[in-house]
This record gives sequence, structure tokens and C-alpha cells, in this order.
Amino acid sequence: QQQVKQSPQSLIVQKGGISIINCAYENTAFDYFPWYQQFPGKGPALLIAIRPDVSEKKEGRFTISFNKSAKQFSLHIMDSQPGDSATYFCAASKNSGYALNFGKGTSLLVTP
Amino acid sequence: GAVVSQHPSWVICKSGTSVKIECRSLDFQATTMFWYRQFPKQSLMLMATSNEGSKATYEQGVEKDKFLINHASLTLSTLTVTSAHPEDSSFYICSAHHGQGADTQYFGPGTRLTVL
Repeated sequence: QQQVKQSPQSLIVQKGGISIINCAYENTAFDYFPWYQQFPGKGPALLIAIRPDVSEKKEGRFTISFNKSAKQFSLHIMDSQPGDSATYFCAASKNSGYALNFGKGTSLLVTP
Repeated sequence: GAVVSQHPSWVICKSGTSVKIECRSLDFQATTMFWYRQFPKQSLMLMATSNEGSKATYEQGVEKDKFLINHASLTLSTLTVTSAHPEDSSFYICSAHHGQGADTQYFGPGTRLTVL
């Protein structure tokens, strides 16, 4: 059973645009929500993570928005670049030390 | 940032043979390591959780006698795929967490296993 639902499955954005990926979860015990970027044939790399005590976290061009009451969180990539083209996974766990429950992933293509 | 390595990065083996994959935390001690499997264009699925010095905890549907996990030290965990079959062909990825309030799991680069 997929504990974290991610959408869209794929996304095409023009260079300079904003990429938005959404995730939703059901388990209220989750309190750690990271986003990972994965290039083909590589392991996932942590982009940014958030805990429920804040509603937004920004690191460079990447922002997580978190809505605890709706049990939703999203990744915004500002000024998207062709180099951002990759698969993005949201995840959730009870704690950063617990196994991650991954969304199904979003394949992002940023066109020049 | 912390670095996790995996070896080998890719391996091809014959059906019926066993393959060992190593996961090492290079610059930190990992109290917990996780093993995931990823099929093409799919998400990561947790196979097992490994704590140093104790038996691994396997997820439902993962055969513990087929996927042997050993976490012998705080920097090394191994996954052995025994009597591999073509359906075991996949991308195997480990992650490591060093506890003590640390906030991040670090992933290895993955191992591509192809069973002929």
C-alpha cells in the first residue's frame, strides 16, 4: 500500500519556469518529509527536507511547502534549469532514522 | 556531506549463483542502514532495515533466506542475493543513518544487478 501519493507522474517545464510536485500522506505519525532527486543509474540525493513544525522551508531554488492539516506537502523548483531534469521523489517517515516511504516519483523535463 | 559507497556498482551473474553487495559509510558511523530495491522507472521499495550487531528486519514479502543482510560494523552492511534468478535483476540501493539526532539518511550510488 502506497503510504505517500505523489503527482504528477511526469512534468514538462520551460527553462526559467516553476516546477511544482505534490505529495500527500495519511499516516499522522510521519514527522519527517524529505525530497530526493535521482538521475538515471544513480542513487537518490537529498534535496531538502522539512518537519511538521514549519510550513515552509527554502534552500536556494528549492522550496518545500507543508500543510499539516491537509497532510500535504509540495516541492517548488524556481527558475527551473535543464540540469534539473531528473526524477524527484517525495518521502515520509516517522523520524529521519526510520525507513522512508517513497512516493512513486515524478519525471521532470526542463526544456531549453 | 556524508558519503555512502556501494560495491560493486554493477554486476552480471549467472542464474543460481550468489552475489554480495557492500554498503559502506565512509565518513560517519551508521547505526542503521536500509536496503531498497528499485525496478526500472519505479520507486524505491524498502527490503530490510539493518542495525549494527543485530539481525535485520525484513519487510513483508522479502525472503530473508534469499536476501541475506549482515551489518557487522558501524560502517559496513552487506546484502547477499543467494541463488539469484533473472527476476532478482534490479537496482539495489542502500542508505545509512547515524542516529544521535541526525536528520538525514544518505544514499549510496546503487548497484545494478543483472542475472542471466
